[in-house]
Amino acid sequence: DIVMTQSPLSLPVTPGEPASISCRSSQSLLHRSGHNYLNWYLQKPGQSPQLLIYLGSNRASGVPDRFSGSGSGTDFTLKISRVEAEDVGVYYCMQALQTLITFGQGTRLEIK
Amino acid sequence: QITLRESGPTLVKPTQTLTLTCTFSGFSLSTSGEGVGWVRQAPGKAPEWLALIYWNDDKRYRPSMKNRLTISKDTSRNQVVLTLTNMDPVDTGTYYCTHEGRFKVGMNMVRGLLVDSYYYSMDVWGKGTTVTVSS
Repeated sequence: DIVMTQSPLSLPVTPGEPASISCRSSQSLLHRSGHNYLNWYLQKPGQSPQLLIYLGSNRASGVPDRFSGSGSGTDFTLKISRVEAEDVGVYYCMQALQTLITFGQGTRLEIK
Repeated sequence: QITLRESGPTLVKPTQTLTLTCTFSGFSLSTSGEGVGWVRQAPGKAPEWLALIYWNDDKRYRPSMKNRLTISKDTSRNQVVLTLTNMDPVDTGTYYCTHEGRFKVGMNMVRGLLVDSYYYSMDVWGKGTTVTVSS
């Protein structure tokens, strides 16, 4: 199984400030297609997860451009350029390279 | 617009079989490339992928639970059913139905023909249904 490790687990952020979440995988997520099979999701309080980023760096439809994804191989980062109150929740990275899809343990973003 | 809705019992007893139904709209499982999956989430924990079924009836299961899980589809009713046998209190959690989105990543040569290549992954989730396992 591919193990996904996120850091930090808790992230207090002042509105308007940037935020960054790291995700590391136990194996490279680089597919032979040249794409990294890595997604980012946000689970807002009381809601189901919503797709933010797919293939490591592509924003899903309707996702604000303050969200960006980067990285390759085993190291990935989700950045929020300016945090807003509506961004609170738990962020998960997820690998889809193997049939057994696995998630990181989650990073809880809270507003200071 | 794609929507998915989970339904099923909220309480099951240990050793019983859980049957959950996902009713969806906005796509058809008779269309090439479409897929529906199930993910669960124990309270305060990360999501855990369980199973997936594609339009062509190709099925994938979480290896450690393969002997307990069955996924099936009813294309005419736009439904996918998940059964989980021998329920245990550790199976308590919220169960989500998910749509497999299709994202074009390039083109491949297949048997001399250039065809589109896609990345499939969960793009839309249902609201989830909470299941408690207790006697």
